Amino acid sequence: NAGVTQTPKFRILKIGQSMTLQCAQDMNHNYMYWYRQDPGMGLKLIYYSVGAGITDKGEVPNGYNVSRSTTEDFPLRLELAAPSQTSVYFCASGYRASGRVDQFFGPGTRLTVL
Amino acid sequence: TQLLEQSPQFLSIQEGENLTVYCNSSSVFSSLQWYRQEPGEGPVLLVTVVTGGEVKKLKRLTFQFGDARKDSSLHITAAQPGDTGLYLCAGGVDNYGQNFVFGPGTRLSVLP
Repeated sequence: NAGVTQTPKFRILKIGQSMTLQCAQDMNHNYMYWYRQDPGMGLKLIYYSVGAGITDKGEVPNGYNVSRSTTEDFPLRLELAAPSQTSVYFCASGYRASGRVDQFFGPGTRLTVL
Repeated sequence: TQLLEQSPQFLSIQEGENLTVYCNSSSVFSSLQWYRQEPGEGPVLLVTVVTGGEVKKLKRLTFQFGDARKDSSLHITAAQPGDTGLYLCAGGVDNYGQNFVFGPGTRLSVLP
């Protein structure tokens, strides 16, 4: 199993450009998440999904969009990139067991907006 | 917004020492998770605790969830250089434990 894969690993965008961060998992997990991690700030939840066709906002959804058409894929779309979106983006997948959800993270995408 | 605080922010110790790091909030969480993150990588789940007062052990690591489910601690016995990393706690903020808030982390350095 490859686990959670993210592409690209690095990207530089100009202000106002758009892009899609790709995330895929091969563990058949129902839950998927997008987080951003700013230096010294921990992780903040952007969007999450509890299954194909279902998405919900997290703590910091503004400026982002997601879709979940399949169990495996959960792309994150940035429209009109802004310098404030410079961050490291992590995708995670998870499964429910014994009343909780255990999350497994991908390696991250480092995005710089100039 | 539910917030998690972690202390200390930074910790540098010698190999073989014991240490405890803390994760605190004024809010109640449905579950509490601890992760370790190394530079350039994603966080790796160490443990999930769901019951107030629950204690879990993972080799030299001991995790405890507070009785009121508002706080947690991670104790490492006889730390090794391989324990170096950023330790993050994350709380489940809904009844289903599927939506999480993370603390800012404790950066641990274990010197040989």
